[in-house]
Amino acid sequence: ELKVEQNPLFLSMQEGKNYTIYCNYSTTSDRLYWYRQDPGKSLESLFVLLSNGAVKQEGRLMASLDTKARLSTLHITAAVHDLSATYFCAVDFTTSGTYKYIFGTGTRLKVLA
Amino acid sequence: DSGVTQTPKHLITATGQRVTLRCSPRSGDLSVYWYQQSLDQGLQFLIQYYNGEERAKGNILERFSAQQFPDLHSELNLSSLELGDSALYFCASSVVGQRTSGNTIYFGEGSWLTVV
Repeated sequence: ELKVEQNPLFLSMQEGKNYTIYCNYSTTSDRLYWYRQDPGKSLESLFVLLSNGAVKQEGRLMASLDTKARLSTLHITAAVHDLSATYFCAVDFTTSGTYKYIFGTGTRLKVLA
Repeated sequence: DSGVTQTPKHLITATGQRVTLRCSPRSGDLSVYWYQQSLDQGLQFLIQYYNGEERAKGNILERFSAQQFPDLHSELNLSSLELGDSALYFCASSVVGQRTSGNTIYFGEGSWLTVV
């Protein structure tokens, strides 16, 4: 069974600090997605990583993908309060002819002023 | 605004009842996904449709069913409701429903279901 696990589940950090969220998955896939969810709101797409070694950056967030290690990271640089949200990674793959799009457990980030 | 429309936004109903959640995908999107989000179980994949046909099934209970209509809107039917079914139900859509060159899915605002 496919597992998509994120670490940590909860993260409280001070403004200005750096931190990394990890996403591990248990199946072979060369594509990984990051989404952001504000409390009580919908999910919005942040990054799409489509190959081994892919790196994408947007503002203070940078995502990377290592398909051999089945690991993606979301690095936060000099965190600000506006980054407080829950971050999900997701993996899509096909198994036994069935396509699946599975989300990780989510990491709830709180940036303290 | 993602372009995915879900109704109703909020729903309170009693145990044992049946409800229908409705979803209109983004214009041009053929694939519709349903997810359930609860506090203790994260974001659970329920079911996916592509151009009217069921494409994938996740952890969807037998009391739940869904369909995608010819105009591509979708409905999720929840019956014999239990307290544990209280959750936020998301619909999402994408252009494709399979592995291609990247499949970003776009989420609606969700339907909050409270079973009392």
